[in-house]
Amino acid sequence: AQSVTQPDIHITVSEGASLELRCNYSYGATPYLFWYVQSPGQGLQLLLKYFSGDTLVQGIKGFEAEFKRSQSSFNLRKPSVHWSDAAEYFCAVAGGSNAGKSTFGDGTTLTVKP
Amino acid sequence: GAGVSQTPSNKVTEKGKYVELRCDPISGHTALYWYRQSLGQGPEFLIYFQGTGAADDSGLPNDRFFAVRPEGSVSTLKIQRTERGDSAVYLCASSPRGASQETQYFGPGTRLLVL
Repeated sequence: AQSVTQPDIHITVSEGASLELRCNYSYGATPYLFWYVQSPGQGLQLLLKYFSGDTLVQGIKGFEAEFKRSQSSFNLRKPSVHWSDAAEYFCAVAGGSNAGKSTFGDGTTLTVKP
Repeated sequence: GAGVSQTPSNKVTEKGKYVELRCDPISGHTALYWYRQSLGQGPEFLIYFQGTGAADDSGLPNDRFFAVRPEGSVSTLKIQRTERGDSAVYLCASSPRGASQETQYFGPGTRLLVL
């Protein structure tokens, strides 16, 4: 069965500081990996995804993530955080026989200090 | 339409009542998904439609939950004999063909409160 762990429930960073949100997955084959952002009252918005090729993927809003098969990780990074990045972030995995079914982590809430 | 829409945005009901939640996917998307998001948790898969048929309903928690998509576009999630534990945000998403690497486009959700 596929699963996702986001070890950090809540992270606080200062505006302008760098950010890394952790994601570990469990999946038997090559996974498809996603990061979504959810702002209050908003639907989930895709930031980026990995399904093959270059293990460093670029997304919207200046985010990037790196797929590390050896560590079963797909951590999200941003070099300089903006106050508008405050939101909840979800990592998800899909693939194989579970086509159509994404499994999400429980999310990391990001607070940005001025 | 521009995106996935869901109605109602909020629903308050009493324990034991029947509710219907509607999802209108992006036009032309054959795949439609329902998820449930409880407070403090990530979305949890419920059911996935490919066209009119349910391709995977393994996430439906019990037989009080049922979903249909009779014409391959709009879908309705139906909950019978609601319980307080059903309170959550119900999310709908759609994607062009349902392949695993496709982006799923999410609606804003229906917040269900069972009193």
